[in-house]
Amino acid sequence: GAGVSQSPSNKVTEKGKDVELRCDPISGHTALYWYRQSLGQGLEFLIYFQGNSAPDKSGLPSDRFSAERTGGSVSTLTIQRTQQEDSAVYLCASSLGAREGSLFYYEQYFGPGTRLTVT
Amino acid sequence: KNEVEQSPQNLTAQEGEFITINCSYSVGISALHWLQQHPGGGIVSLFMLSSGKKKHGRLIATINIQEKHSSLHITASHPRDSAVYICAVKRRDGGATNKLIFGTGTLLAVQP
Repeated sequence: GAGVSQSPSNKVTEKGKDVELRCDPISGHTALYWYRQSLGQGLEFLIYFQGNSAPDKSGLPSDRFSAERTGGSVSTLTIQRTQQEDSAVYLCASSLGAREGSLFYYEQYFGPGTRLTVT
Repeated sequence: KNEVEQSPQNLTAQEGEFITINCSYSVGISALHWLQQHPGGGIVSLFMLSSGKKKHGRLIATINIQEKHSSLHITASHPRDSAVYICAVKRRDGGATNKLIFGTGTLLAVQP
């Protein structure tokens, strides 16, 4: 079946502009995650959606970052007034859902990522 | 100190060699992933495990929950195995989200 898809695959933007990154999770997956991988850095968690629960935004680095998930499926990560330090690969992952704090955890499947370059 | 540590950071091997990449973590976990990332490519989950050992083709992953340690082994390594291998854990915290915490990765280069 289709995996997680992300668009665009590459985005070059000027400092100060807003960008929107899109993630289409695997059909039926109720959990969706955004991660960021900066050059030379490891992956870091940004935000997590699970069903109709309030998202966990604890990883968002500043209030310029926001994300929404419409209809429990597609998600959009928005970065306002982009800065050069926002340049990174933004990865989306999805999984079957699990009750928050549940000991049972479903495997995450990753998308190909969006490479964002802020000039 | 990072909650997830990997070693080595860089590894160069000759084709055919047996390779081991190690991961140690300092938190209670409910699951551990081994991920593979090729240059310019997306991330593929190789294994998800919470106990014991798993094998898939030339790849073997083991985990020792008591020692908070996991290893990824590659037998009969091949140049196409060259990639970054990342260890990631799901914390076993009541009320915590299901986010993963990542190690910094091991860059493997297998030379012909």
